[in-house]
Amino acid sequence: AQKITQTQPGMFVQEKEAVTLDCTYDTSDPSYGLFWYKQPSSGEMIFLIYQGSYDQQNATEGRYSLNFQKARKSANLVISASQLGDSAMYFCAMRERGTDKLIFGTGTRLQVFP
Amino acid sequence: ETGVTQSPTHLIKTRGQQVTLRCSSQSGHNTVSWYQQALGQGPQFIFQYYREEENGRGNFPPRFSGLQFPNYSSELNVNALELDDSALYLCASSVKDGRNEKLFFGSGTQLSVL
Repeated sequence: AQKITQTQPGMFVQEKEAVTLDCTYDTSDPSYGLFWYKQPSSGEMIFLIYQGSYDQQNATEGRYSLNFQKARKSANLVISASQLGDSAMYFCAMRERGTDKLIFGTGTRLQVFP
Repeated sequence: ETGVTQSPTHLIKTRGQQVTLRCSSQSGHNTVSWYQQALGQGPQFIFQYYREEENGRGNFPPRFSGLQFPNYSSELNVNALELDDSALYLCASSVKDGRNEKLFFGSGTQLSVL
């Protein structure tokens, strides 16, 4: 069965520093998609970045980059130059092939301090 | 702003009652999914509707049902509410095409069952 594991319940980072949020996944399917979402206290899930299993390069979206290590089945999110507004829950998710169903991890709460 | 709106934002029900949650998707988004997010957990897939028909279901009992309408709105109905149904319910919409990387989530409905 497909599974997403996020081992960091909480992370602290100082403003303007970079932070890495860990995500490992388990699947036997060679075709899959990996996502990161941000969930502020308002509850809305905000899409951050996507990585396809066949993508040759690591995905980047502004200050967000995904460190994709396929052999290790990891898809860590790197946030550069952290901002106070980055404080939120962050979820890693995987999409099953042929569906839009997302399987989420348990999330990491990131707190950015001045 | 994802263009997905959910109502109501909060709801309190008692055990055994029935509830209807509503979602309005972006125009043109022909796929809608519903997720349940218990406190401290990642969202869990309930089901998906594509062109007004159920198109995939997670591990939820039949008392969870849904409808999708031609005007890009949808409903999640839960009968015979149980205490464990207390959660944040998220609606997500997307356009079903060959490569749709993004789901657009609403802010959710917080359901409390007493």
